[in-house]
Amino acid sequence: KNQVEQSPQSLIILEGKNCTLQCNYTVSPFSNLRWYKQDTGRGPVSLTIMTFSENTKSNGRYTATLDADTKQSSLHITASQLSDSASYICVVTPSTGGFKTIFGAGTRLFVKA
Amino acid sequence: GAGVSQSPSNKVTEKGKDVELRCDPISGHTALYWYRQSLGQGLEFLIYFQGNSAPDKSGLPSDRFSAERTGGSVSTLTIQRTQQEDSAVYLCASRETGGAPGELFFGEGSRLTVL
Repeated sequence: KNQVEQSPQSLIILEGKNCTLQCNYTVSPFSNLRWYKQDTGRGPVSLTIMTFSENTKSNGRYTATLDADTKQSSLHITASQLSDSASYICVVTPSTGGFKTIFGAGTRLFVKA
Repeated sequence: GAGVSQSPSNKVTEKGKDVELRCDPISGHTALYWYRQSLGQGLEFLIYFQGNSAPDKSGLPSDRFSAERTGGSVSTLTIQRTQQEDSAVYLCASRETGGAPGELFFGEGSRLTVL
């Protein structure tokens, strides 16, 4: 069964600190892997996208990495801000039946002043 | 419109009542999805519409759930005889044909509370 597992479930950090969120997946083969940010009470918004052949992708203070051999991805947030408080969701799109993207449960990040 | 629009944003209903949730996708987007997100859980796929093709209903949890998409645009998700376990946020997303695979644009969601 295709799965996407994220860790930690939740994380509290101080403003200005860095953090790394993890995503392990079993979806294979896959078309792409995305990280979404979901603010409380809002819909998810795409942060980064990586295809099978890409290792890293940055979007401002967000950097996503992908290791297709170990089927792991990470999202690194640099110099965190209060506005980074949100859920971060790892999403994998299979190569077949590609419209059925598979969502992880998300990591809930709290940035404290 | 500029983004995916959903209504109502919040709905409180009594057990056994029927509810309708509406989604207005981004203009020109041919693919439309409904997801359900329970508290602390990931997104659960419900149904997918693509153009004029028959929808993929494989994610609907029971026959109390149904959805339609009129004129290839607005979609309505209907839940009949609501149960307390139906309480969740219902998210709609759309994608343009030929757009980057997996790139979904989400609405703000409809939060359903069944008392």
